[in-house]
Amino acid sequence: EDQVTQSPEALRLQEGESSSLNCSYTVSGLRGLFWYRQDPGKGPEFLFTLYSAGEEKEKERLKATLTKKESFLHITAPKPEDSATYLCAVRFASNTGKLIFGQGTTLQVKP
Amino acid sequence: GAVVSQHPSRVICKSGTSVKIECRSLDFQATTMFWYRQFPKQSLMLMATSNEGSKATYEQGVEKDKFLINHASLTLSTLTVTSAHPEDSSFYICSATMTSGGRGDTQYFGPGTRLTVL
Repeated sequence: EDQVTQSPEALRLQEGESSSLNCSYTVSGLRGLFWYRQDPGKGPEFLFTLYSAGEEKEKERLKATLTKKESFLHITAPKPEDSATYLCAVRFASNTGKLIFGQGTTLQVKP
Repeated sequence: GAVVSQHPSRVICKSGTSVKIECRSLDFQATTMFWYRQFPKQSLMLMATSNEGSKATYEQGVEKDKFLINHASLTLSTLTVTSAHPEDSSFYICSATMTSGGRGDTQYFGPGTRLTVL
């Protein structure tokens, strides 16, 4: 069964304390792994798309990496405004553009 | 670029009434639009996929007669919740993918619509 699992479920960091969020997947024929940020009461905001193992993308304090079985979202020196839920989603070859979402990691960064 | 809007942002209605939610891609044409619902502290659950000019494809367990989807143009899709009941109260979010330019498979999401059925 195609599945996407994110860990940890929740993460509390001090401002400046770097860490990583994990997204592991079991799908056949990956056609893209997507990272989104969601603030409470709002729709997800697109961050990155990764297509092949070894690929990396960066944006400000965030860096996403991809292997054959998982993706990491590294947060370097986070700030309180980075507090949000980070969602990972996978698109696989056997569907028509649908995404399978993980449960998300809720990040809280304390000043 | 890639902005998606939803209207209304919040709606409160009485049980038994119908509610229409609009989803628009503001600065691009959307091949496909998706409708999701999200319960508190849960992830997004896909309800249906719609392509302009054709019937929507519903996910297993989603009642097509209750959740009517119309994708009338490349920039507009609507979701109508018919005969709404309190258990339909949720956060409804749409997304859209571009027809051209950039990566056609990235879904850009709207801000969501909070539906409360009394």
